[in-house]
Amino acid sequence: NAGVTQTPKFRILKIGQSMTLQCAQDMNHNYMYWYRQDPGMGLKLIYYSVGAGITDKGEVPNGYNVSRSTTEDFPLRLELAAPSQTSVYFCASRPPGTGDGRNQPQHFGDGTRLSIL
Amino acid sequence: DAKTTQPPSMDCAEGRAANLPCNHSTISGNEYVYWYRQIHSQGPQYIIHGLKNNETNEMASLIITEDRKSSTLILPHATLRDTAVYYCIGGGRGGTASKLTFGTGTRLQVTL
Repeated sequence: NAGVTQTPKFRILKIGQSMTLQCAQDMNHNYMYWYRQDPGMGLKLIYYSVGAGITDKGEVPNGYNVSRSTTEDFPLRLELAAPSQTSVYFCASRPPGTGDGRNQPQHFGDGTRLSIL
Repeated sequence: DAKTTQPPSMDCAEGRAANLPCNHSTISGNEYVYWYRQIHSQGPQYIIHGLKNNETNEMASLIITEDRKSSTLILPHATLRDTAVYYCIGGGRGGTASKLTFGTGTRLQVTL
């Protein structure tokens, strides 16, 4: 069971370039999330999705776009890379809460380390 | 989501219990308390979560005060591999997208 897989693991971009960070999960989770983590800080939510075809903004969505065409994949797009987007990006997923409303924890990938120069 | 407060760092001797406190005085009645940890720069790892009652699993125990304004994560026999940043998070109401708000956590250093 691969869990949450993120690619690439590392990337260096030039200012103004674009790229897509890939995230795939094989646990049939309907909830998926993208976070960024700056050095010495906690994670900040960029975008999330509650199911295929449904996405919504998190705390820091500016400069990013997402799509969710399948349950398995939740790619994150940077259109015009800026130095402020240098960070570690984490993708996470979780199943829906159980019948008693008890929410399930999120499962995280190993991250993509992105540097923009 | 509830705002949480944790000490920035703690030390613990290997083999001893590590007790990590967290204040979440603004937590609402249906918000859970989650604990995650992050080793080096790996992805956060889920540890445990609870609503009102104390919880225990193979990794840790979670003690939640009766008024739910604070909680303590207990690692009963800390090892060097438990050195990590530990995050306490209040959130995940039933029926929502369960967005989690990560603070800066507690950096636990386990020493020989």
